[in-house]
Amino acid sequence: AQSVTQPDIHITVSEGASLELRCNYSYGATPYLFWYVQSPGQGLQLLLKYFSGDTLVQGIKGFEAEFKRSQSSFNLRKPSVHWSDAAEYFCAVGADSWGKFQFGAGTQVVVTP
Amino acid sequence: NAGVMQNPRHLVRRRGQEARLRCSPMKGHSHVYWYRQLPEEGLKFMVYLQKENIIDESGMPKERFSAEFPKEGPSILRIQQVVRGDSAAYFCASSPLAGGPDTQYFGPGTRLTVL
Repeated sequence: AQSVTQPDIHITVSEGASLELRCNYSYGATPYLFWYVQSPGQGLQLLLKYFSGDTLVQGIKGFEAEFKRSQSSFNLRKPSVHWSDAAEYFCAVGADSWGKFQFGAGTQVVVTP
Repeated sequence: NAGVMQNPRHLVRRRGQEARLRCSPMKGHSHVYWYRQLPEEGLKFMVYLQKENIIDESGMPKERFSAEFPKEGPSILRIQQVVRGDSAAYFCASSPLAGGPDTQYFGPGTRLTVL
């Protein structure tokens, strides 16, 4: 059965520091991978996605993610965080033929001054 | 180009009442997905619909929950005889294509509180 794991429930980072959020998946074929961000009380906004091709993908707000098949990972990174990046981040796998997404449990990011 | 619309944004119901959540997909999208987010948890898939058809309802509770996406009008998620455990945020997403995963665009959600 497919699964998505975000090992870090909560991360605290200083403003200006780099950020990396981990995502591991379990799926038999090449998955479709997504990162979404959710601000408090809001819906989900797509940051970036990977379907095929270049394994390093660029997204909005200065985020990037790298697909590593050998590690079954799709980690999200940002070189320098801003206070506005404080939010919850969800990794998702779209691996079903009908497009049903499976989400990780999320990583809460807190940005300190 | 309006995004996915959901209403109401907040809904309060007493135990035993019915809750109706509405979702209007993005223009040109004919595929709708409903997800539920319980407090402190990620989103869980509930149901996938196309116009007038339920394609996959494997994530729907067996009782009290139903969904529809009529030919005209929004998709409706209906919860009968609500209980406190139904308190959650319910998100709708839409996509334009069938036959494989595509980017899903999410609405702002409906936050249901059952008293």
